[in-house]
Amino acid sequence: AQSVAQPEDQVNVAEGNPLTVKCTYSVSGNPYLFWYVQYPNRGLQFLLKYITGDNLVKGSYGFEAEFNKSQTSFHLKKPSALVSDSALYFCAVRTSQRSNYQLIWGAGTKLIIKP
Amino acid sequence: GAVVSQHPSWVICKSGTSVKIECRSLDFQATTMFWYRQFPKQSLMLMATSNEGSKATYEQGVEKDKFLINHASLTLSTLTVTSAHPEDSSFYICSASRDYNTGELFFGEGSRLTVL
Repeated sequence: AQSVAQPEDQVNVAEGNPLTVKCTYSVSGNPYLFWYVQYPNRGLQFLLKYITGDNLVKGSYGFEAEFNKSQTSFHLKKPSALVSDSALYFCAVRTSQRSNYQLIWGAGTKLIIKP
Repeated sequence: GAVVSQHPSWVICKSGTSVKIECRSLDFQATTMFWYRQFPKQSLMLMATSNEGSKATYEQGVEKDKFLINHASLTLSTLTVTSAHPEDSSFYICSASRDYNTGELFFGEGSRLTVL
């Protein structure tokens, strides 16, 4: 079965430190990978995506993610965390075999950045 | 960038009444929109895929008669929660895709429904 895993319900990081939010996937076909962020009581905002090309993808707010095909991972990273990065982060994947643009979603990881 | 507007952002209603939530794509045409329900423990559940001019495609376990979806135009999809009950209280989020090649989604701000 196709799935996306975000193994950590919550990640705590001190402000200024690097952060990583993990995502692994299990899909058939070539994956299209996405990261979205959700602030409290808000909809989701697009952060970045990997479709093809360079494995390191840079996105909004200084975030980046690296596509690792052998490990089937797409971890989200940022070199220096800000308190304002505290939010809920979702990883999602779509395959070329999946019709009408539906995404498979991870369960979400709550990121808490402490001052 | 593409904007998806969702209204109302929050609504409180009495048990047994119906509530309509609107989702509009403001600067692009969306033949396909998605409705999600978000539970308190964070997870997003896809409820249905709304297709302009045709019937919505519901995910397994979602009651079609309970959650009515209408996608009458290329910029508007509505979700009506009929005969709402307290267990329908949740955060409902819509999204639309503009880029058919990548499937990148743009999300509404969500609607918090509380059924008393």
